[in-house]
Amino acid sequence: DSGVTQTPKHLITATGQRVTLRCSPRSGDLSVYWYQQSLDQGLQFLIQYYNGEERAKGNILERFSAQQFPDLHSELNLSSLELGDSALYFCASSVAGNYEQYFGPGTRLTVT
Amino acid sequence: AQSVSQHNHHVILSEAASLELGCNYSYGGTVNLFWYVQYPGQHLQLLLKYFSGDPLVKGIKGFEAEFIKSKFSFNLRKPSVQWSDTAEYFCAVNDNSGYALNFGKGTSLLVTP
Repeated sequence: DSGVTQTPKHLITATGQRVTLRCSPRSGDLSVYWYQQSLDQGLQFLIQYYNGEERAKGNILERFSAQQFPDLHSELNLSSLELGDSALYFCASSVAGNYEQYFGPGTRLTVT
Repeated sequence: AQSVSQHNHHVILSEAASLELGCNYSYGGTVNLFWYVQYPGQHLQLLLKYFSGDPLVKGIKGFEAEFIKSKFSFNLRKPSVQWSDTAEYFCAVNDNSGYALNFGKGTSLLVTP
């Protein structure tokens, strides 16, 4: 158990819908990262937050957005879902930028 | 562009065999290097990391990795694998200009009894 929690574990939804994935970092970690894991793209970085502020963006679609709240938990919002958005979405946290990242169990999203 | 390459996509070994998984990266400047393992149906777990210092790094579960700067490599090794090492192994790199991890495509390891 890494100490990073993610909910829900599984999510099945239809195309065009909107979902919210939630992540709670390890106690004391200020930085949260979101990654997407799919068979064809592998593990791809989406976005990073540090202490409530966006720090870096990766291959994140405009339909996707995220935020980090004052209690440091983070939410990833995915809208206008397409079949190709089906993937595992991982959250990771670290103390600060230049430290190892610890991953949560992931949310498996299936878009039908 | 920065990239991470893992040469072996699928590896099959018998128990007690030695393991070496290759990882090469193309980054300029100072890098931080990681190996993560993902057991079937589970999340990524950190096996070991290199930030600086001794280029031979020891991690959990008997794994080690060697950073060879001149070869831009960070290969993972284990002298004797067990059936329980069956998993997907990911090499990852970041640098101090941005801390997001850049992952290789992964190597699927199957250890047979």
